[in-house]
Amino acid sequence: AQSVAQPEDQVNVAEGNPLTVKCTYSVSGNPYLFWYVQYPNRGLQFLLKYITGDNLVKGSYGFEAEFNKSQTSFHLKKPSALVSDSALYFCAVRDTGDNTDKLIFGTGTRLQVFP
Amino acid sequence: EAGVAQSPRYKIIEKRQSVAFWCNPISGHATLYWYQQILGQGPKLLIQFQNNGVVDDSQLPKDRFSAERLKGVDSTLKIQPAKLEDSAVYLCASTWGQLRDTQYFGPGTRLTVL
Repeated sequence: AQSVAQPEDQVNVAEGNPLTVKCTYSVSGNPYLFWYVQYPNRGLQFLLKYITGDNLVKGSYGFEAEFNKSQTSFHLKKPSALVSDSALYFCAVRDTGDNTDKLIFGTGTRLQVFP
Repeated sequence: EAGVAQSPRYKIIEKRQSVAFWCNPISGHATLYWYQQILGQGPKLLIQFQNNGVVDDSQLPKDRFSAERLKGVDSTLKIQPAKLEDSAVYLCASTWGQLRDTQYFGPGTRLTVL
């Protein structure tokens, strides 16, 4: 079965510093991987996805993610964090098994950016 | 383009009462999903529609939950009767229906069952 793991419940970083939010995955077949962000009382906002091609994927709001097949990881990164980046981040993998086409989400990582 | 719309945004009910949620997907999106997000967890799929047909409802507690998408556009999710453990955010998402599509989510409905 497809799964993702987000090993950190919370990541703290100072504004202006680089940030990394970790995600590892377990899939059979080719992975379709996603990152979403959730602000308080809001739905999930799409940041970026990896389907195929370049291992470095660029997304919204200056975020990028690096797909690493050998380490089965898809870490989210940003070179310079903003206080407004503070939110809950979810990694997800697409499960396209029999009679289904759904996203399997990790448990989420809360990012706190301090001024 | 307009995003996925959901209503109501918040709902508080007592256990054993019934409740319904509404979702209107992005215009033209053939596939619609309902996810349940319990506090502290990632969203989990309840049901997936392709047009007005059900693709996957394997995780839907069918003894109390029901959903429909009669005309292949908007959808309703109903809980009857509600239990305390149904307290969660219910998220609706939609896509065009192709394999590499991105799922776009609505703002969600926060349900509290007392």
